[in-house]
Amino acid sequence: SQKIEQNSEALNIQEGKTATLTCNYTNYSPAYLQWYRQDPGRGPVFLLLIRENEKEKRKERLKVTFDTTLKQSLFHITASQPADSATYLCALDDSSNTGKLIFGQGTTLQVKP
Amino acid sequence: NAGVTQTPKFQVLKTGQSMTLQCAQDMNHEYMSWYRQDPGMGLRLIHYSVGAGITDQGEVPNGYNVSRSTTEDFPLRLLSAAPSQTSVYFCASSSYLSGANVLTFGAGSRLTVL
Repeated sequence: SQKIEQNSEALNIQEGKTATLTCNYTNYSPAYLQWYRQDPGRGPVFLLLIRENEKEKRKERLKVTFDTTLKQSLFHITASQPADSATYLCALDDSSNTGKLIFGQGTTLQVKP
Repeated sequence: NAGVTQTPKFQVLKTGQSMTLQCAQDMNHEYMSWYRQDPGMGLRLIHYSVGAGITDQGEVPNGYNVSRSTTEDFPLRLLSAAPSQTSVYFCASSSYLSGANVLTFGAGSRLTVL
């Protein structure tokens, strides 16, 4: 069956360090992968999109990689700040061309000053 | 420009009661969807719609009903609430960015079924 996995344990890092979050998937052939940020009590907010033919995408302090051979995406936040503390969700299209997105369970990042 | 508006924000129901979660968007998006979010389970798709008059089931549709009479509105109906439907519900609408479906979420509706 199709499956998306993110680290369920919270990631705690020191301010200024690089945070790296992992998203693994099985039994999918997604055309693209997305990352969302969710703060407590709020809806997820879109951050970045990377397509299957792109290896890497950057936006300010964010970097996403997409390895379709390993079936893995890495999400990096460089020079992390306490304001980056949130839950980060990865999402894949389900390859059905209907626009449906399948989400991972999310990884909570805590950046300590 | 309000984006996606969900009401109510909080609701407590008794088992067997019915209710409707409202969702409206003002971005003229064709695609709308409903997700539920439970601890450790992530977001799971309940129902979605690719345009007015068209709806389809997602991963966990049982116990829920939807309709899409206008582009703007996509209400989610719980026909006979059960404790297993205690969850946080998110409505989303979508725009296509470089051919990809990018979601804009509402603030969520927290439902408790006793």
